[in-house]
Amino acid sequence: DSGVTQTPKHLITATGQRVTLRCSPRSGDLSVYWYQQSLDQGLQFLIHYYNGEERAKGNILERFSAQQFPDLHSELNLSSLELGDSALYFCASSSRQGASTEAFFGQGTRLTVV
Amino acid sequence: QQQVKQSPQSLIVQKGGISIINCAYENTAFDYFPWYQQFPGKGPALLIAIRPDVSEKKEGRFTISFNKSAKQFSLHIMDSQPGDSATYFCAASKNLGNQFYFGTGTSLTVIP
Repeated sequence: DSGVTQTPKHLITATGQRVTLRCSPRSGDLSVYWYQQSLDQGLQFLIHYYNGEERAKGNILERFSAQQFPDLHSELNLSSLELGDSALYFCASSSRQGASTEAFFGQGTRLTVV
Repeated sequence: QQQVKQSPQSLIVQKGGISIINCAYENTAFDYFPWYQQFPGKGPALLIAIRPDVSEKKEGRFTISFNKSAKQFSLHIMDSQPGDSATYFCAASKNLGNQFYFGTGTSLTVIP
């Protein structure tokens, strides 16, 4: 168990809908990273938050947004969902912004858009 | 474009054999190169990592070899075991951070 909790584990929704994925980082970790894992694109970095502030954006669509709350949990919001958004979404946390501190991944949320 | 290229896509090795997975990168700004192991239904877990100031790092049966001039690095799994059967991802990041560019993954099967 990595100590990173993601909910829900599975989500099935229809095209055009909006969903929210939740991530609770390891106790004390200030950094949260979101990744998308799909069959055609592999594992791709979406966005990084550190202590409530956005630090970096990767290949994140404009229909997607994220935030990190004062208690350090993070939510990834996906809207106007398309079939191609079906993927595994992982959250990872680390204690600092970088400096090669290990990033611990959660078990992921499997999103299926039908 | 794929910033980290990984091969092979799949690998079958006999128990006790050596598994070798290769990765290549182009961006010389990368300064942190981890390998992640992922079992079905689980998230990736850090296996071993290296910085470009060393050419080799060994942890138990797992070794990373790093060739800075060729911009290549590889994972060697010695005495491969059935429990090593998983998908392995190489990755790279800048500024020693955790915003990774991942390879496409290698599915390793170790046959008893």
